[in-house]
Amino acid sequence: SQQGEEDPQALSIQEGENATMNCSYKTSINNLQWYRQNSGRGLVHLILIRSNEREKHSGRLRVTLDTSKKSSSLLITASRAADTASYFCATALNTGGFKTIFGAGTRLFVKA
Amino acid sequence: DTGVSQDPRHKITKRGQNVTFRCDPISEHNRLYWYRQTLGQGPEFLTYFQNEAQLEKSRLLSDRFSAERPKGSFSTLEIQRTEQGDSAMYLCASSLSGLAGVDTQYFGPGTRLTVL
Repeated sequence: SQQGEEDPQALSIQEGENATMNCSYKTSINNLQWYRQNSGRGLVHLILIRSNEREKHSGRLRVTLDTSKKSSSLLITASRAADTASYFCATALNTGGFKTIFGAGTRLFVKA
Repeated sequence: DTGVSQDPRHKITKRGQNVTFRCDPISEHNRLYWYRQTLGQGPEFLTYFQNEAQLEKSRLLSDRFSAERPKGSFSTLEIQRTEQGDSAMYLCASSLSGLAGVDTQYFGPGTRLTVL
């Protein structure tokens, strides 16, 4: 079963708007990562946030992590048609190993 | 291209046949992961290796599945007596061990398996 659950399952916005995706997880984690997947390029790592961090930025991406609520959000600002993809959160469990659990993903469609 | 490569990209087989997939990680990466992904779902963890040692296996990995990484470089995933439920995309990823708790994985393009 999946550890993380993304919300919403699907999101459709206009180019230039911001997109926010949320992820909830169940168990203690070492870090949380966001990945993007589209048919052209497969799964691509976007950003990683450690369990002791609360916010991180990378270009147009902003990730927050709230370990007390076991949740994270990914904000994509000024979206582009090329951002159309599925976005997954992935959690590295705090079990001493490196087992990584992915959520079911948010499907983002950016209309030009 | 020095990314993760997988072979074959597509495999169609009949139920009951055995199949083997290969993954070549990024050359200096010591960790290698296998995942399975079905339509509309995220990747499901199957197993991972650190060098040649298989350190963790998911309960999803039944006794029909076996993975090896004999020299700590490429890896193979074999599925014996395939079933229609095995139809999925099989993804391989690799990473370089670094800071504790940080493991950025780089994914290959996947092998799409169809079991008829």
